[in-house]
Amino acid sequence: NAGVMQNPRHLVRRRGQEARLRCSPVKGHSHVYWYRQLPEEGLKFMVYLQKENIIDESGMPKERFSAEFPKEGPSILRIQQVVRGDSAAYFCASSAMGNSNQPQHFGDGTRLSIL
Amino acid sequence: GENVEQHPSTLSVQEGDSAVIKCTYSDSASNYFPWYKQELGKRPQLIIDIRSNVGEKKDQRIAVTLNKTAKHFSLHITETQPEDSAVYFCAASPSTGTASKLTFGTGTRLQVTL
Repeated sequence: NAGVMQNPRHLVRRRGQEARLRCSPVKGHSHVYWYRQLPEEGLKFMVYLQKENIIDESGMPKERFSAEFPKEGPSILRIQQVVRGDSAAYFCASSAMGNSNQPQHFGDGTRLSIL
Repeated sequence: GENVEQHPSTLSVQEGDSAVIKCTYSDSASNYFPWYKQELGKRPQLIIDIRSNVGEKKDQRIAVTLNKTAKHFSLHITETQPEDSAVYFCAASPSTGTASKLTFGTGTRLQVTL
């Protein structure tokens, strides 16, 4: 079974450009979580999605950031008009259920660098 | 919201010794506590977790203890090996409803020396 797949692994953008990060959950998992990790820091929750629904976006900045998890295809985290402070590792996790009965398993992350 | 504190931030032990990492949490509604190991440039990997209906769980050289009254939980690694060197993160989450996001501690960098 393939685990959580994220791409790209590394993404370089100039200030003002858009960044699109993709996450394919474990096969059969319908719950996806996005976390951000700054260098030498822990992971910070951003958003929790089920298929076609945003369940909790309390950790996601109100501006420039958006997330979706369509019926078909991967979950997308989109950052518009990127700034230097967006440089971080973005991790996606998935679970079979939206509670701790099913643990969250992480992908390898996308390392976003803003020039 | 939940706040998780983790100590120490760095820990150096000699091979074969034990390592203990401690975390405290603030939200009494939290009842799921996973531990993740993250090697440099890699994904966080779940190594053990505990739910609030038990006080201790063990898996080979790794054990976790939970004190719900005091709101703290700890990771114990015995007979440490060089491959245990990594950053370890504790986390807390309520397991009810849709509030299943993980709140992470700030991490402990464990160095196992020969």
